[in-house]
Amino acid sequence: DTAVSQTPKYLVTQMGNDKSIKCEQNLGHDTMYWYKQDSKKFLKIMFSYNNKELIINETVPNRFSPKSPDKAHLNLHINSLELGDSAVYFCASGGGGLNTGELFFGEGSRLTVL
Amino acid sequence: GENVEQHPSTLSVQEGDSAVIKCTYSDSASNYFPWYKQELGKGPQLIIDIRSNVGEKKDQRIAVTLNKTAKHFSLHITETQPEDSAVYFCAPNTGGFKTIFGAGTRLFVKA
Repeated sequence: DTAVSQTPKYLVTQMGNDKSIKCEQNLGHDTMYWYKQDSKKFLKIMFSYNNKELIINETVPNRFSPKSPDKAHLNLHINSLELGDSAVYFCASGGGGLNTGELFFGEGSRLTVL
Repeated sequence: GENVEQHPSTLSVQEGDSAVIKCTYSDSASNYFPWYKQELGKGPQLIIDIRSNVGEKKDQRIAVTLNKTAKHFSLHITETQPEDSAVYFCAPNTGGFKTIFGAGTRLFVKA
């Protein structure tokens, strides 16, 4: 059973389009995250959610809109895609608040904007 | 906020040698010190962690040492093997909802 699964694994799209990435975790964690990894491998936190509530928004443009319908899901919708959005996006769950601990990552979704 | 520095950025060793990666952090409230390994095409995965009440932890060929006074912790890999080649990240945490990762260290193990 995959602990944190995200789909799709690859997206190739044109500038200006809108795309979504879905994430689901079956670990029973309260906290979920989106991270962006650029070509130099820097892992930058974008959002964190705890019990479906947005806790952290790291100055991410409004074009990025996360949604958490329940504790097990955290989706990411991106409007008006730009070239600079090309990256690998990782969903993760775990840790959070007083329960500091291991983060479990999905396999990543590689977004290429042409 | 937490400032995390990781050194070296690239490390190349011969199979069987040891490798050491150092992570320096700024927030003295940090109390959880993990190391993650990221293989090509995969997400980062925890390989070892330590909490602030412990100075050293070992798991077979890997170990983590913590110096809270100097605010740094290190990953030690002994008897390196080609499958240890990957990118390694430190991610010191204060217990909040924002885990900051170091910039990563690319380890190459030459057979």
